[in-house]
Amino acid sequence: EVQLLESGGGLVQPGGSLRLSCAASGFTFSSYGMHWVRQAPGKGLEWVSSISVSGGTTYYSDSVKGRFTISRDNSKNTLFLQMNSLRAEDTAVYYCAKRPTDYRAFDMWGQGTMVTVFS
Amino acid sequence: EIVLTQSPGTLSLSPGERATLSCRASQSVSSSYLAWYQQKPGQAPRLLIYGTSSRATGIPDRFSGSGSGTDFTLTISRLEPEDFAVYYCQQYGSSPRYSFGQGTKLEIK
Repeated sequence: EVQLLESGGGLVQPGGSLRLSCAASGFTFSSYGMHWVRQAPGKGLEWVSSISVSGGTTYYSDSVKGRFTISRDNSKNTLFLQMNSLRAEDTAVYYCAKRPTDYRAFDMWGQGTMVTVFS
Repeated sequence: EIVLTQSPGTLSLSPGERATLSCRASQSVSSSYLAWYQQKPGQAPRLLIYGTSSRATGIPDRFSGSGSGTDFTLTISRLEPEDFAVYYCQQYGSSPRYSFGQGTKLEIK
């Protein structure tokens, strides 16, 4: 079955860290750019970060730049998001998503993992 | 930075009616880089349209997209009960890499 499965979410205090994982199956993970998108409770979608096929090129939204790091392990078909210096405004469901090779949109999404930053 | 503004915020229609959702960009967007998603409560978004007008795999033909420049439209020709959801437009650009509109909630009248 073709799927993305996120894990690693949870409760954390401001200033803390979390590492999210996204396990891919059913497709050739190493052939696709991958992305993280988040959604705060009751709010819209916000792109967070992207990584190229090889992992050599990464992009971040201004809201997380310098605090979050995206990476991937193609040998384990897994995408990561290391989140440091967490803030209350980082509270959201975090989705990983796959971009096809021939257009700029996200054709596959995981079910999401909830991150709650509380004081 | 390109900002996408969707209208209306909420659209109340009945099954069988036609829905027209708008997405306006603060700067011109390449038609190759405009997409639409559907999201139902508690679910991940689902890609409907990419490249302004191409339907994603498995999307019924009652969904269509159009537009160019700064004005884009998602049309649902005849609403089915399962179409009531929140819809987001999304663009790909340079900075930020991707951005989404704030969403249009399509609700049953």
